[in-house]
Amino acid sequence: DQQVKQNSPSLSVQEGRISILNCDYTNSMFDYFLWYKKYPAEGPTFLISISSIKDKNEDGRFTVFLNKSAKHLSLHIVPSQPGDSAVYFCAASARGGTSYGKLTFGQGTILTVHP
Amino acid sequence: GAGVSQSPRYKVTKRGQDVALRCDPISGHVSLYWYRQALGQGPEFLTYFNYEAQQDKSGLPNDRFSAERPEGSISTLTIQRTEQRDSAMYRCASSLSQGAGSTEAFFGQGTRLTVV
Repeated sequence: DQQVKQNSPSLSVQEGRISILNCDYTNSMFDYFLWYKKYPAEGPTFLISISSIKDKNEDGRFTVFLNKSAKHLSLHIVPSQPGDSAVYFCAASARGGTSYGKLTFGQGTILTVHP
Repeated sequence: GAGVSQSPRYKVTKRGQDVALRCDPISGHVSLYWYRQALGQGPEFLTYFNYEAQQDKSGLPNDRFSAERPEGSISTLTIQRTEQRDSAMYRCASSLSQGAGSTEAFFGQGTRLTVV
């Protein structure tokens, strides 16, 4: 039962263009969403998050969009840079009750940005 | 150290042996999380602590898995009578605030466990 899904295993983008990574979820209790980036041989690092009370959050080149009715979120990177090449994980949390600290992750999308 | 430290980085063990994986969180971080990651998948939640209290252990696969954080700092994840299906990357993370599924969660480099 995959509650958070990233249906694209990989994405290839030209430097300077926009990268769009997608994520779908099924659990209506999720109310907080995060994106993590992971380089080889390192642990995931936090990138950006969004609460369910918002539909957009922007941080520099990174913007996350949330569509609650569609249970869909996306990460936009503009402009993409070769250093953005990494695995990107979508994660979700239901911040009520004892599950407050639990993150549910998607499978990840490998982003490659070509010079 | 500056980040979350996990040891050992790599562990190869024979089926049936017990293993203990250690996590040293960032100093002062209240919450500590354990995840397991199979190849090509995202991290899968195992358990988490606030201080020394285990808040949620719903992700532990069976009773061969246990975790402790007796003094609210270093944590140990123990797998008894290991099986080949336990082979995975085991990741620890810590955060300053309680729970939060949190923006402040910092991950360690992980322990790669291989059961042969």
